[in-house]
Amino acid sequence: DSGVTQTPKHLITATGQRVTLRCSPRSGDLSVYWYQQSLDQGLQFLIQYYNGEERAKGNILERFSAQQFPDLHSELNLSSLELGDSALYFCASSLGPEQFFGPGTRLTVL
Amino acid sequence: GESVGLHLPTLSVQEGDNSIINCAYSNSASDYFIWYKQESGKGPQFIIDIRSNMDKRQGQRVTVLLNKTVKHLSLQIAATQPGDSAVYFCAERSNFGNEKLTFGTGTRLTIIP
Repeated sequence: DSGVTQTPKHLITATGQRVTLRCSPRSGDLSVYWYQQSLDQGLQFLIQYYNGEERAKGNILERFSAQQFPDLHSELNLSSLELGDSALYFCASSLGPEQFFGPGTRLTVL
Repeated sequence: GESVGLHLPTLSVQEGDNSIINCAYSNSASDYFIWYKQESGKGPQFIIDIRSNMDKRQGQRVTVLLNKTVKHLSLQIAATQPGDSAVYFCAERSNFGNEKLTFGTGTRLTIIP
């Protein structure tokens, strides 16, 4: 158990809908990262927050957004969902260079 | 541009034997590398890391070797066990202060009993 928690574990929704994925980092970790893992793309970095502020951005679509709250938990919002957004979404947290991953949320868009 | 690639997508090893998983990277500015293990249905699990000022680091049953001359990284697992069956990813961090990791595509390791 990495100490990073994610909810929900599974999410099934329809195209055009909006969903919110939640992540609680390990106690004491200030950085939160979001990754998308699909079969044909591997693990793709989406975005990083550090102590409430956006720190780095990767291949995140404009339809996606994230935020980190004062208690350091983070949410990833996915809107106008498309079939191709179906994937595993992982959150990771860190205090130093190594990142610790949560169990992921499996999103299925029908 | 940045890319991290793996030489072999699958690897089968007899239980008890040693395994070596390889990874190539292209960004010579990368200063930090990590190996992760991902079991089915779970998130990536940190195994071992190495900084660019080192060429070898050992953990419990695992060793990471870094060859900066040819931009090559390897993970050696000694005395493999059935629980070692998983997908292994290498990842690199390209610039100090930017914690973004770039992941390779993964190698599936299967331990044959």
